[in-house]
Amino acid sequence: GQQLNQSPQSMFIQEGEDVSMNCTSSSIFNTWLWYKQDPGEGPVLLIALYKAGELTSNGRLTAQFGITRKDSFLNISASIPSDVGIYFCAGLPLDSWGKLQFGAGTQVVVTP
Amino acid sequence: DTAVSQTPKYLVTQMGNDKSIKCEQNLGHDTMYWYKQDSKKFLKIMFSYNNKELIINETVPNRFSPKSPDKAHLNLHINSLELGDSAVYFCASSHGHRLTYNEQFFGPGTRLTVL
Repeated sequence: GQQLNQSPQSMFIQEGEDVSMNCTSSSIFNTWLWYKQDPGEGPVLLIALYKAGELTSNGRLTAQFGITRKDSFLNISASIPSDVGIYFCAGLPLDSWGKLQFGAGTQVVVTP
Repeated sequence: DTAVSQTPKYLVTQMGNDKSIKCEQNLGHDTMYWYKQDSKKFLKIMFSYNNKELIINETVPNRFSPKSPDKAHLNLHINSLELGDSAVYFCASSHGHRLTYNEQFFGPGTRLTVL
């Protein structure tokens, strides 16, 4: 299946800095989801987006559903050590029967 | 309190063996999924069941056979295990597969190692 283009692949940042990552697709998506995966655990849903242009926050996390419906970004403000992990974007194309497509992930490393 | 649970957490076995992974969800969801995560952390869907009916069957070897005894359970049986089957397998569930609000919730994963 199609793979979303997620960037950057990895980020090394200092505590307190802001983080930004994005995903793009050649297809129109109905839904964008952002997940975080800690080592040895399953992906945990952070934010869900359903409408083009929608901007949604969850604590220090903010995500937006792109106007073209082909992209989304996730921002993390004032990063802390527990933000370390792999962040995945995932999208549902129209009539996808739940066939979620995942980006390759962004590895975030936060140094004190 | 666990939402989506999987057993076992770790599975180490020899090539050629047959093994099963079990998944249960207590969220009242109608749809369940199996995903495979490879060594590069890429997640790919394998199967999906909605109310015990198979709705997604990606290009997966027929050595992999999902079974859904009821909508709260989706098990994965793998025959004649091969080295390339080594990966982390995740179960997930959602309210539906065609609804707009289709957030998928994942289990903790089963790390399968084939020797």
